[in-house]
Amino acid sequence: DGGITQSPKYLFRKEGQNVTLSCEQNLNHDAMYWYRQDPGQGLRLIYYSQIVNDFQKGDIAEGYSVSREKKESFPLTVTSAQKNPTAFYLCASKPRWLGNQPQHFGDGTRLSIL
Amino acid sequence: DAKTTQPPSMDCAEGRAANLPCNHSTISGNEYVYWYRQIHSQGPQYIIHGLKNNETNEMASLIITEDRKSSTLILPHATLRDTAVYYCIVRASLGAGSYQLTFGKGTKLSVIP
Repeated sequence: DGGITQSPKYLFRKEGQNVTLSCEQNLNHDAMYWYRQDPGQGLRLIYYSQIVNDFQKGDIAEGYSVSREKKESFPLTVTSAQKNPTAFYLCASKPRWLGNQPQHFGDGTRLSIL
Repeated sequence: DAKTTQPPSMDCAEGRAANLPCNHSTISGNEYVYWYRQIHSQGPQYIIHGLKNNETNEMASLIITEDRKSSTLILPHATLRDTAVYYCIVRASLGAGSYQLTFGKGTKLSVIP
């Protein structure tokens, strides 16, 4: 079945540590997105990528980094510069040129601080 | 970009139709309305979207008023598995066919046995 796979489901970070969240899709989608969701809140956009080797900052990019070396993969690194990383992280994708088509989401990674 | 207003919570009896309203009075002519739902600790699930015509798929129906200032998501026969937070979204364009989804607080639908 086609879909978006996020791993791990749960992740713990120590002080000063960088951690990387994986997002893989086999939907042949060009555009991929990373969102952050805090308890009882909506989604906020961290980074997005519309094509391989290109990505753009979203509303809350500080303390995060991404790469897009392959169409299927869009990993997110939460760096030690992100002082409040505890949140639910969601990856989404969509076909790039079909503007009104919906984004489809993975099942998320829950990041906590040790 | 248009904002949306939804009631914070609703109850629905199992087997009955659930009608979830959404106001988007500042929507512009080329903006679509999207509906997602989220069950606790899972990613949002796409339900349906529309521009101005009513839409139906295997999950739900979307009724958009003629002036496009409001819409209603209809789950025709609600089950316990439909208990979730439902989000009505008018997207924010990022250009070149891409957009970000701005989720508000949504409507928590509780389906009651």
